[in-house]
Amino acid sequence: RKEVEQDPGPFNVPEGATVAFNCTYSNSASQSFFWYRQDCRKEPKLLMSVYSSGNEDGRFTAQLNRASQYISLLIRDSKLSDSATYLCVVNIGTGANNLFFGTGTRLTVIP
Amino acid sequence: DTGVSQNPRHKITKRGQNVTFRCDPISEHNRLYWYRQTLGQGPEFLTYFQNEAQLEKSRLLSDRFSAERPKGSFSTLEIQRTEQGDSAMYLCASSFELRFRNEQFFGPGTRLTVL
Repeated sequence: RKEVEQDPGPFNVPEGATVAFNCTYSNSASQSFFWYRQDCRKEPKLLMSVYSSGNEDGRFTAQLNRASQYISLLIRDSKLSDSATYLCVVNIGTGANNLFFGTGTRLTVIP
Repeated sequence: DTGVSQNPRHKITKRGQNVTFRCDPISEHNRLYWYRQTLGQGPEFLTYFQNEAQLEKSRLLSDRFSAERPKGSFSTLEIQRTEQGDSAMYLCASSFELRFRNEQFFGPGTRLTVL
C-alpha cells in the first residue's frame, strides 16, 4: 500500500465553482501534512501546512482527520489560475523526516 | 532571488556518462533534500543532509548515485554510468526544522535526459 494516495483526477470545474480533493495516508504516526501546488514542468510550491485539525488561507481550506487518516483541500470560488496539480504530502516523522508525496490531483478550471 | 537554486536546469547526456548537479539552498536552512520526479508521479525522496551530514538515503539510491554537502551549504548529486532509466527531474529542497514543522522549499529542478 502506498504511503499517500490521491485521486489523480482530472477535475474539470467551471470558474467560480467549489472543488474538494481528498488524500489518505497509511502511517498513523504521521506528524505533519502539507498541500503543494505544481504547475506543468515546474517545481512544487508550498500551498498550505496542516499541523492540527485544519488550516484556512483565503479561498483555500485544508482539514485533517487523524481518526480516518485523510486530509482534504477545499478551493472556493475557483479561478483560472488555480489550474495545476495539487500534491498531498505527509511527513511520517521517522528519523529521516522526509516527505512522502501523493501522485497529485490535476485540476483544470474552465472559463 | 533568495530561493533554492539548481544548476544546470537541463542536462542531456549519453548512456554511460557521468553527470553532476548542484543545489544551493536557502541560506539559513540547515536541511537539504534531493528528490526525483518522473512524469505523472509525485517526487520521490532520494537523500537528505542536516548541515554537512548525510543522514539518510533511500533504497532508490543505487551505488551509482552519490551526494555531498561538504561545507553544509551547497550540495552536489552525481550519477555515474547513467542509464536511460535515470531520465527524470531531479529536485532539491531545503528546510529549517523547528520541532515537527518541516516546510520544504523546492528549487526549479534539473531535468536529465539520458539518450
